[in-house]
Amino acid sequence: SAVISQKPSRDICQRGTSLTIQCQVDSQVTMMFWYRQQPGQSLTLIATANQGSEATYESGFVIDKFPISRPNLTFSTLTVSNMSPEDSSIYLCSVVLNHSIEQYFGPGTRLTVT
Amino acid sequence: DAKTTQPPSMDCAEGRAANLPCNHSTISGNEYVYWYRQIHSQGPQYIIHGLKNNETNEMASLIITEDRKSSTLILPHATLRDTAVYYCIVRVAIYSWGKLQFGAGTQVVVTP
Repeated sequence: SAVISQKPSRDICQRGTSLTIQCQVDSQVTMMFWYRQQPGQSLTLIATANQGSEATYESGFVIDKFPISRPNLTFSTLTVSNMSPEDSSIYLCSVVLNHSIEQYFGPGTRLTVT
Repeated sequence: DAKTTQPPSMDCAEGRAANLPCNHSTISGNEYVYWYRQIHSQGPQYIIHGLKNNETNEMASLIITEDRKSSTLILPHATLRDTAVYYCIVRVAIYSWGKLQFGAGTQVVVTP
């Protein structure tokens, strides 16, 4: 299994500012993903974080709004830029271990934008 | 990936078996059925997956119909800690070399 930590666990931010969320895994992983869960909703995939190259974004999500970095096999960041109240959500990091059949999720970062 | 249909909610008595249905009538031959659950304020947790044979692990059993158009997740002895949203997901890659598409899931409430 994998132990995934996210920082911060929660934050309250002002409209127009940006927040960077960190995801750290205790072992090397093949793939890393970022998901969003809006209040009362299911999870939606934002993007796949690719090591050493630009992230692959899902429809409806763009790099200018959600820039992602993945400098190595155990770490990734997601930035929520120019925030509005509609960005208030839980943001979750998810990973697939090498040769694993399971996809693991971090505890999430609860973001509130005022 | 094929679409799944689940009941929005169900209740279960503690100690009883919980049977969670999932319909995936458009499933393709190379698509697997995965189950995850999300306990309140936590990230989703993998439960089990299968292709066409029934599967069992320490958490649950997965029964897939012969035509593979539906499946049932069985929690054999539900406890209060099993209260969660349960997601049935159909996808191609067994090694998860891709992304999970979550639907609305089934809210399961286990009562004393």
